[in-house]
Amino acid sequence: DGGITQSPKYLFRKEGQNVTLSCEQNLNHDAMYWYRQDPGQGLRLIYYSQIVNDFQKGDIAEGYSVSREKKESFPLTVTSAQKNPTAFYLCASSTGEGTQYFGPGTRLLVL
Amino acid sequence: SQQGEEDPQALSIQEGENATMNCSYKTSINNLQWYRQNSGRGLVHLILIRSNEREKHSGRLRVTLDTSKKSSSLLITASRAADTASYFCATDAGDYKLSFGAGTTVTVRA
Repeated sequence: DGGITQSPKYLFRKEGQNVTLSCEQNLNHDAMYWYRQDPGQGLRLIYYSQIVNDFQKGDIAEGYSVSREKKESFPLTVTSAQKNPTAFYLCASSTGEGTQYFGPGTRLLVL
Repeated sequence: SQQGEEDPQALSIQEGENATMNCSYKTSINNLQWYRQNSGRGLVHLILIRSNEREKHSGRLRVTLDTSKKSSSLLITASRAADTASYFCATDAGDYKLSFGAGTTVTVRA
């Protein structure tokens, strides 16, 4: 079964804690993306990667970090520098020709 | 940056009616795409229309694109309860990124 998986579905973060969201794809796509969605709003791009070992900042990268060591994986770390992390996080992948395929999302909540 | 803006923000229709939503954008694009999001889920790609196309159909979906007005519309015909969702337009300027609008929330009443 081809697709994108994200884990966990729900994640709780304590003050000052770094947390990592997982994103894995078996679609053999080169490009991967992380978005943040706040209630009633559209998607804002955090980071994207066009190829392994390379990634670029999106519109709201501050307080987040990523790595792209494998084609299949693009984990996102929400650092303690992100003061308002509560949101729905979506990962997507693409062949680079336009259409993006999304995972089911991770909801991050602050304790 | 969010380039696309959908209108209306919310739409409530009776089952069987048509639903129309619009998207306006600001800069030149390679293509424009529409996605659907059911509550609490990821986005699902519906249709892509290239900048040199004016109209495209896919099942009960009809998309138009007017590059001179920088606008697009999505028409869902003969709506069903399962069409209840948020719909987003996304513009592709050819730089490996999509810019999403804030979406239109569609509620189909039985």
